Amino acid sequence: EIVLTQSPGTLSLSPGERATLSCRASQTISASSLAWYQQKPGQAPRLLIYGASSRATGIPDRFSDSGSGTDFTLTISRLEPEDFAVYYCQHYGTFGQGTKLEIK
Amino acid sequence: QLQLQESGPGLVKPSETLSLTCAVRGGSISSNSYYWVWVRQSPGKGLEWIGSINYGGTTYYHPSFMSRVALSVDTSKNQFSLKVDSLTAADTAVYHCARLRTESFGNYFDSWGQGTLVTVSS
Repeated sequence: EIVLTQSPGTLSLSPGERATLSCRASQTISASSLAWYQQKPGQAPRLLIYGASSRATGIPDRFSDSGSGTDFTLTISRLEPEDFAVYYCQHYGTFGQGTKLEIK
Repeated sequence: QLQLQESGPGLVKPSETLSLTCAVRGGSISSNSYYWVWVRQSPGKGLEWIGSINYGGTTYYHPSFMSRVALSVDTSKNQFSLKVDSLTAADTAVYHCARLRTESFGNYFDSWGQGTLVTVSS
């Protein structure tokens, strides 16, 4: 079973800054098989990106992903107040443990 | 817009069986491109995929749950259900139903229910 490890556990940044979140797979996977989700307190996870850089409906273009092999990155180019949340990566039936993006 | 709504008991006793149902609204459960899934979320274990079912009744289960979980689908009611046997405190979690889009390159959960908190306690 592939394990996804996200880092850092918590990222403290200010609005307007750039956020870089990491997801490392325990084995080589295809970039197109990785998806990213955002979850705010009391809400369900929300699909952000899937299939190698396809943004889900309504997701702004400040969200992007990159990576290959075992190392993948979700980038938020300029943080808006509504972006502070927990982010998860997912590969088939496996999720990472999440990165909490908090306001500095 | 697709909406998924979980329903079921919020409190279940240890060793008993949990039964949850997910009503699908705003779309048909009978689609070849999707599976319908249960994912649970607890502070200690994060997001865990439990199992998936399609409208024809084909199921896949996470190995950790396979021995005590069953999914079923009712296309006439546009809903699907989860049963978990032999509950322990470790099964306390928020249970989400979701839609899983399957593609040649992978799969992803494109629509989620809000989730229902299930507490296992005597």
